[in-house]
Amino acid sequence: TQTVSQSDAHVTVFEGDSVELRCNYSYGGSIYLSWYIQHHGRGLQFLLKYYSGNPVVQGVNGFEAEFSKSDSSFHLRKASVHWSDSAVYFCAASSRGGYKVVFGSGTRLLVSP
Amino acid sequence: NAGVIQTPRHKVTGKGQEATLWCEPISGHSAVFWYRQTIVQGLEFLTYFRNQAPIDDSGMPKERFSAQMPNQSHSTLKIQSTQPQDSAVYLCASSSDGSAETLYFGSGTRLTVL
Repeated sequence: TQTVSQSDAHVTVFEGDSVELRCNYSYGGSIYLSWYIQHHGRGLQFLLKYYSGNPVVQGVNGFEAEFSKSDSSFHLRKASVHWSDSAVYFCAASSRGGYKVVFGSGTRLLVSP
Repeated sequence: NAGVIQTPRHKVTGKGQEATLWCEPISGHSAVFWYRQTIVQGLEFLTYFRNQAPIDDSGMPKERFSAQMPNQSHSTLKIQSTQPQDSAVYLCASSSDGSAETLYFGSGTRLTVL
């Protein structure tokens, strides 16, 4: 069974803080890992993805994520958050070239001023 | 590039009525996906088209849900005899290469069945 787990349903930080949103996966075969952001009332927006190579991938708006095969993790980080980063973040896994995606349950990030 | 366009943004129907949701994928994208999003179930896969052909509708409730893609520029999701449990946000996404590696989502249609 392929699963993506986001253990934190809610994370609250202050503006300017660093943040890490956790994602763990269980997936057989070659895996594509992605992060998406969903602002209130909007669809999901792609942030970044990893398939192979450098385990640290850079995304838009200062986000980065690090893949760890040993920990089966793909955590998302940002060094200094802004209030506009408040949103729900989804981790997702798919196979290379495949069309099925397994989404995590999402982590709601609240950035307080 | 206007992105994926979904209409209407909100739809309210009475129990037993029909609802049709529209999706216009990004021009040139070869695949369209439909998902349903609820607080309880999260994101659920409904159906997938590639080059307009229906490839997988395994997520669709068979009796009342149907989806079509009559041309490259739009897809529709039709729900007959809507029930309160159909209330959800329905998201359409497209991808350029047919895979789910990078999906571009529309803003969704919020369906409320009274």
